[in-house]
Amino acid sequence: RKEVEQDPGPFNVPEGATVAFNCTYSNSASQSFFWYRQDCRKEPKLLMSVYSSGNEDGRFTAQLNRASQYISLLIRDSKLSDSATYLCVASNAGNNRKLIWGLGTSLAVNP
Amino acid sequence: EADIYQTPRYLVIGTGKKITLECSQTMGHDKMYWYQQDPGMELHLIHYSYGVNSTEKGDLSSESTVSRIRTEHFPLTLESARPSHTSQYLCASSGNRGGTYNEQFFGPGTRLTVL
Repeated sequence: RKEVEQDPGPFNVPEGATVAFNCTYSNSASQSFFWYRQDCRKEPKLLMSVYSSGNEDGRFTAQLNRASQYISLLIRDSKLSDSATYLCVASNAGNNRKLIWGLGTSLAVNP
Repeated sequence: EADIYQTPRYLVIGTGKKITLECSQTMGHDKMYWYQQDPGMELHLIHYSYGVNSTEKGDLSSESTVSRIRTEHFPLTLESARPSHTSQYLCASSGNRGGTYNEQFFGPGTRLTVL
């Protein structure tokens, strides 16, 4: 079982839809969590750091549930430009300086 | 935008050549990383460094080596390139800023093809 698991998708949604990605992590000692976005053949870019209380940035909302070891990303009013792979990331439990990467969830927003 | 740079962006070379992939960051970050990623596949950590003169192997075995003589510079070297080394190599850095969360920032990557 992978330490960080995501539904690989692909998610195909129409413009304007709301889409939610889920992610689970196996080690309860992980302390830092992130969502990254990666476009095809490009580098990952930080989308959001996930705070324990949950946080929102425009159309994007991230939530953390430590009891269930679960992280989510909600995208509202999706745009064509949101099409990408979304990577869920947790810090290495024994040493928070390394990150454990999920395989990513592919999103295609269609006109 | 993160201030982390990689050169070259694209490299096509023959088998047996020695190559060095350059990575530099101007953010004063103490931690730097090298990842390898094939198209459509996951990121694999191959090397990391927590400071000058500190280097460690990552989770994926790699024939490459790294050095960290200066904070801002973390080059990766392949002594004898082989076709199996064909991949994208991504450099990243992170540093504590105001007690945050060790997020990593990536350079644009080097796409290596070994013929």
